[in-house]
Amino acid sequence: GNSVTQMEGPVTLSEEAFLTINCTYTATGYPSLFWYVQYPGEGLQLLLKATKADDKGSNKGFEATYRKETTSFHLEKGSVQVSDSAVYFCALAWGGQNFVFGPGTRLSVLP
Amino acid sequence: DAGITQSPRHKVTETGTPVTLRCHQTENHRYMYWYRQDPGHGLRLIHYSYGVKDTDKGEVSDGYSVSRSKTEDFLLTLESATSSQTSVYFCAIRDNTDTQYFGPGTRLTVL
Repeated sequence: GNSVTQMEGPVTLSEEAFLTINCTYTATGYPSLFWYVQYPGEGLQLLLKATKADDKGSNKGFEATYRKETTSFHLEKGSVQVSDSAVYFCALAWGGQNFVFGPGTRLSVLP
Repeated sequence: DAGITQSPRHKVTETGTPVTLRCHQTENHRYMYWYRQDPGHGLRLIHYSYGVKDTDKGEVSDGYSVSRSKTEDFLLTLESATSSQTSVYFCAIRDNTDTQYFGPGTRLTVL
């Protein structure tokens, strides 16, 4: 069945470092792909999304490109801040009500 | 914000008591979801609804029931709470682009 795999973490970086969180998926057809972020004590917030191959989602300096040839949707940011410390979830949606999340990657950014 | 509220935000109850959690949306979306989030398990789908009085089970539905008598409200009931149901519960809605938006969560402790 459809699934999402992402690096488990935790990931610890210094402020202004480059961030990559890997996400790969297994799916039939043409799913939509998402990154969500969860700050401590809060619900998940949509960070960015892409609905078809080669689409790039971007928000708040984060980017991810829907790569059908490598079945990937890696999250990147050029210069992380302490305020980016959170848990990041990759997710996949298809066929209307179907939605699956990765296990989440905890990011800690040190000043 | 996507216009989703959950109540209560925190609840402590005793084993064997019934508990009802409420999710309310102001967006008039058809699909609504209940998830639980536990360390080491990520997000797991409990039940979802695809319209008034139309609901279906998710992967961890045992011990839970739901009701949707109005588009805006989706109730999750634990008929007889157990300690294994201590968790953080999130409600979500899905828009017509397959994007899910989450409520702030309810932290439930069953003693």
